[in-house]
Amino acid sequence: NAGVTQTPKFQVLKTGQSMTLQCAQDMNHEYMSWYRQDPGMGLRLIHYSVGAGITDQGEVPNGYNVSRSTTEDFPLRLLSAAPSQTSVYFCASSYSYYQGYEQYFGPGTRLTVT
Amino acid sequence: DQQVKQNSPSLSVQEGRISILNCDYTNSMFDYFLWYKKYPAEGPTFLISISSIKDKNEDGRFTVFLNKSAKHLSLHIVPSQPGDSAVYFCAASRGAGNNRKLIWGLGTSLAVNP
Repeated sequence: NAGVTQTPKFQVLKTGQSMTLQCAQDMNHEYMSWYRQDPGMGLRLIHYSVGAGITDQGEVPNGYNVSRSTTEDFPLRLLSAAPSQTSVYFCASSYSYYQGYEQYFGPGTRLTVT
Repeated sequence: DQQVKQNSPSLSVQEGRISILNCDYTNSMFDYFLWYKKYPAEGPTFLISISSIKDKNEDGRFTVFLNKSAKHLSLHIVPSQPGDSAVYFCAASRGAGNNRKLIWGLGTSLAVNP
C-alpha cells in the first residue's frame, strides 16, 4: 500500500495562476480531506468528501475548489492563486465516514505564491 | 477562540526520561481525542486516541490520560527516545454524523536529547 500520496511536493506560483494539487489513496477510504498548515495556526480544514460525488466545505474553503469523481482521488484546485495561499497543504483519508477519527496523511505540498 | 489548547509550544527532555505533553479543551461536548506526531517535511501520523468514556489508553511507550472534570488530557512517553523528537498535535472531536467536527491544537515541539 502506498497510503496517501500527494503531488507535487513543492510548487511556486505567481499571483493569479491556477493549479491543481493531486491527492490519491489506495486504502479504499470513503472520507478524504484537505488541510492547510500555517505557522501559529495549526491545521485548518479546507474541504472534505465523504465519498465519490460528495464534497463539502471546511473551515477555510474560499479560493479553493474540489471534486471527487472516484474513491481514490481528491484533487484540490486553486483557481487564482494569492499570496495568502502560501502554505503547506496536506491531504488525508480515513476509514470513517465522518470527521474526528484516525486519519492517514500524505507527505504534503509546500506552495509558495509570489 | 482556541477550543483545544496546547499551552507549551516546546518541551525538552533527556533520553530515557518521561515526556509529558499537555492539552486543555474548553468544550465539554468533545467525546473523542487524538494525538498525532509530525516530523519536519512529513504529514502528521496518528499516534493514539481515547474516547471520553475512558480515562486512560496505553499503546507501548505511549499513554494518554483524560481528566474530563478538568477538561485536560496528557500524553506520556516512557522512556523517551531521540526518535520521538517531533511536533505533537492534540485534536478533539464532537458532534454526530455529518455535523461531526475535529478541532486541532497548535502543537508542542518535543526535543529528546541524547
